[in-house]
Amino acid sequence: RKEVEQDPGPFNVPEGATVAFNCTYSNSASQSFFWYRQDCRKEPKLLMSVYSSGNEDGRFTAQLNRASQYISLLIRDSKLSDSATYLCVVNYPGRRALTFGSGTRLQVQP
Amino acid sequence: EPEVTQTPSHQVTQMGQEVILRCVPISNHLYFYWYRQILGQKVEFLVSFYNNEISEKSEIFDDQFSVERPDGSNFTLKIRSTKLEDSAMYFCASSVYRRAMNTEAFFGQGTRLTVV
Repeated sequence: RKEVEQDPGPFNVPEGATVAFNCTYSNSASQSFFWYRQDCRKEPKLLMSVYSSGNEDGRFTAQLNRASQYISLLIRDSKLSDSATYLCVVNYPGRRALTFGSGTRLQVQP
Repeated sequence: EPEVTQTPSHQVTQMGQEVILRCVPISNHLYFYWYRQILGQKVEFLVSFYNNEISEKSEIFDDQFSVERPDGSNFTLKIRSTKLEDSAMYFCASSVYRRAMNTEAFFGQGTRLTVV
């Protein structure tokens, strides 16, 4: 089983749509969770950290379900500029290394 | 906004040659990292560095690789004898030190290494 697994997509959605991505992780002891965004041939950029209670940042909402070992990202009112690859990232206890999923590609269309 | 900077943005080298990739982490960060991303694949951890020594490394980070913090600002990755399969985007990252928890890392814009 992959350490961090994501649906590669692509998700093609119209502007204004709501889209959700899920990610599963294999190590139940995982400690920290993040969503990063990566544009083509660019560096990963932190979108948001994911907390146990769930958190929201504008149009973006992240949820963590420790029992089922999955993380979700919800994007409301999609913009063309949201088109990118969304990376699910996990951090294991006692380690500084980040473990990345392969990413889910989102294409928002006019 | 403070950022991680990397040089060069693109490096082409012949197989067997040594390359040094350079990074300037964010100034108040204490943990530094190198990651790589082969074209079309996921981002992979190579090494982390804290307090002037390697704190963690992956199986990718073999004897061909080394890291150094030669002065108070730069952080370098050296590949001693490059192979074709070393062609990838190399990202430097840094994070603040927090005693009891792991924190998010901030990435530089990357160096695209092409081995020919």
